[in-house]
Amino acid sequence: NAGVTQTPKFQVLKTGQSMTLQCAQDMNHEYMSWYRQDPGMGLRLIHYSVGAGITDQGEVPNGYNVSRSTTEDFPLRLLSAAPSQTSVYFCASSYSGQAGGRQFFGPGTRLTVL
Amino acid sequence: DQQVKQNSPSLSVQEGRISILNCDYTNSMFDYFLWYKKYPAEGPTFLISISSIKDKNEDGRFTVFLNKSAKHLSLHIVPSQPGDSAVYFCAASDNYSGAGSYQLTFGKGTKLSVIP
Repeated sequence: NAGVTQTPKFQVLKTGQSMTLQCAQDMNHEYMSWYRQDPGMGLRLIHYSVGAGITDQGEVPNGYNVSRSTTEDFPLRLLSAAPSQTSVYFCASSYSGQAGGRQFFGPGTRLTVL
Repeated sequence: DQQVKQNSPSLSVQEGRISILNCDYTNSMFDYFLWYKKYPAEGPTFLISISSIKDKNEDGRFTVFLNKSAKHLSLHIVPSQPGDSAVYFCAASDNYSGAGSYQLTFGKGTKLSVIP
């Protein structure tokens, strides 16, 4: 099992560019989510999905889009990158209904927007 | 408004001694609490959790204590080892949608340094 994988590991964008951060899991988890981690801010939820075809917003959704066409994949799209989106992005997954919401995290994507 | 608070950004402990990391929460609807450990350039990894119906959970060197009346939990690491040096995140969950899809709310983290 590869667990949760994320690509790319690093990315530099210019303001206004768009890109997609990829996330995949091979554990057949229903629940997937995206977080961003900023210095001194902990992990903040961007978007989440409870299954294929179902997504919802988290705490900081502005500037990001998601879709979930398969159980395995949950890409995060930046439509028009801004310097405020410079951050480390983590994808996570878990079984829905798992008491305690224990989530498995990917290794992260470090994004810099110039 | 921060629902999960870790008020100590950093903590230094001598190897072999006890490390105590603290966490406070405000939302009484939280029903599970988790601790994650994070090394630089890696994703967070699950460490230990506790249900709100318990007041203590133990796993090897790690013990989590929950005081519901004070809305406070703590993680004890005994004995502390240099490999424990990492950022520790406290997280809380509730059955957000009622469909068993638990969201996590994280604290800002505490950086633990264990000195050899």
